[in-house]
Amino acid sequence: EDKVVQSPLSLVVHEGDTVTLNCSYEVTNFRSLLWYKQEKKAPTFLFMLTSSGIEKKSGRLSSILDKKELSSILNITATQTGDSAIYLCAAPFHQGAQKLVFGQGTRLTINP
Amino acid sequence: DSGVTQTPKHLITATGQRVTLRCSPRSGDLSVYWYQQSLDQGLQFLIQYYNGEERAKGNILERFSAQQFPDLHSELNLSSLELGDSALYFCASSTEPNGGGYTFGSGTRLTVV
Repeated sequence: EDKVVQSPLSLVVHEGDTVTLNCSYEVTNFRSLLWYKQEKKAPTFLFMLTSSGIEKKSGRLSSILDKKELSSILNITATQTGDSAIYLCAAPFHQGAQKLVFGQGTRLTINP
Repeated sequence: DSGVTQTPKHLITATGQRVTLRCSPRSGDLSVYWYQQSLDQGLQFLIQYYNGEERAKGNILERFSAQQFPDLHSELNLSSLELGDSALYFCASSTEPNGGGYTFGSGTRLTVV
């Protein structure tokens, strides 16, 4: 069964710290891995990773995929209180359709 | 605003009742996906429709059903509600039949009392 596992499930840090969130996957016919940020309601898209070793970057956030290790990390540097959210990773599961298989999420809390 | 519209935003109902959740996809998107997010289960795929036809099914209970109408809006019907059905229900849409470019609506929070 396809699955995505995230760690840690919860993380509390101080503003200014750097955090690394982990995602591992077991997905048949892997094509991509996606990261989302979920604050109060809808998940919002952060990154889609398809190639191993190529870092995607957006401001203080960056992510990289390791296909050999079947994993991905999401880094956030110089964290701010506005980064507090649930971070979800997901992999498309193909069986004639592209549903997303989500990890449990990492609840990140940034304290001032 | 993501362009995916879900109504209602909140719903409180009693056990045994039936409710209908509505989703209007982003303009131009043909695929609609329904997900359930509960505290202990994370985001779980329920069902996908593409241009009016059911495309894929996840762990959707028999008490739940969905459809997509000719104008591409979709409805998720939940019947014989149980306390455990309390959750956030998200709709997402995409342009392609094989996904890509998912956009989520803001969700409907269902509370069964």
